Amino acid sequence: QKEVEQDPGPLSVPEGAIVSLNCTYSNSAFQYFMWYRQYSRKGPELLMYTYSSGNKEDGRFTAQVDKSSKYISLFIRDSQPSDSATYLCAMSANGNQFYFGTGTSLTVIP
Amino acid sequence: SQTIHQWPATLVQPVGSPLSLECTVEGTSNPNLYWYRQAAGRGLQLLFYSVGIGQISSEVPQNLSASRPQDRQFILSSKKLLLSDSGFYLCAWSPRGLQGYEKLFFGSGTQLSVL
Repeated sequence: QKEVEQDPGPLSVPEGAIVSLNCTYSNSAFQYFMWYRQYSRKGPELLMYTYSSGNKEDGRFTAQVDKSSKYISLFIRDSQPSDSATYLCAMSANGNQFYFGTGTSLTVIP
Repeated sequence: SQTIHQWPATLVQPVGSPLSLECTVEGTSNPNLYWYRQAAGRGLQLLFYSVGIGQISSEVPQNLSASRPQDRQFILSSKKLLLSDSGFYLCAWSPRGLQGYEKLFFGSGTQLSVL
């Protein structure tokens, strides 16, 4: 079983839609959770960082962590064509080793 | 502020040739440093990570090697490239021992094509 599972998509939504991206994990020791956005042929850019459970909001982005279900989500409100990218979830137990999902490809259609 | 520099952005090399990719971090000291490879449609594969000068941990046995000659410099090398070494290589860093900063920051990546 992989440490982190992420649906690869692709996901295609109309502009303005709410997007929900998800990851599940198996290691209950994970306590640091991240979402990255990666444009084609570019390095991943850190979008959201959450410690332990709960929600965190930053503009149009909301990250949720449910440690009891080992499930994390990223919501994008009022999606824009510029949000079209691959989104990677990542997590860590100790801040030294990081485990990544395979990424979800998102296209926002104008 | 901290920045990470990785070069070159694109590299085309013949099979059997050597490789040297360089990464430097500015604005921080004593970082953890990482090399990842990302194959098309697949996730990030950790190749090497380092917690200090001269301290390298290898995650995947292969013909690649890494070195950390200075605190904020990380080099990925190969003596003889294979076709299977083609991919997108990413350098990354994380602050060490700084609570609340348990996260990775990536460089811009190097697209390596071995022909």
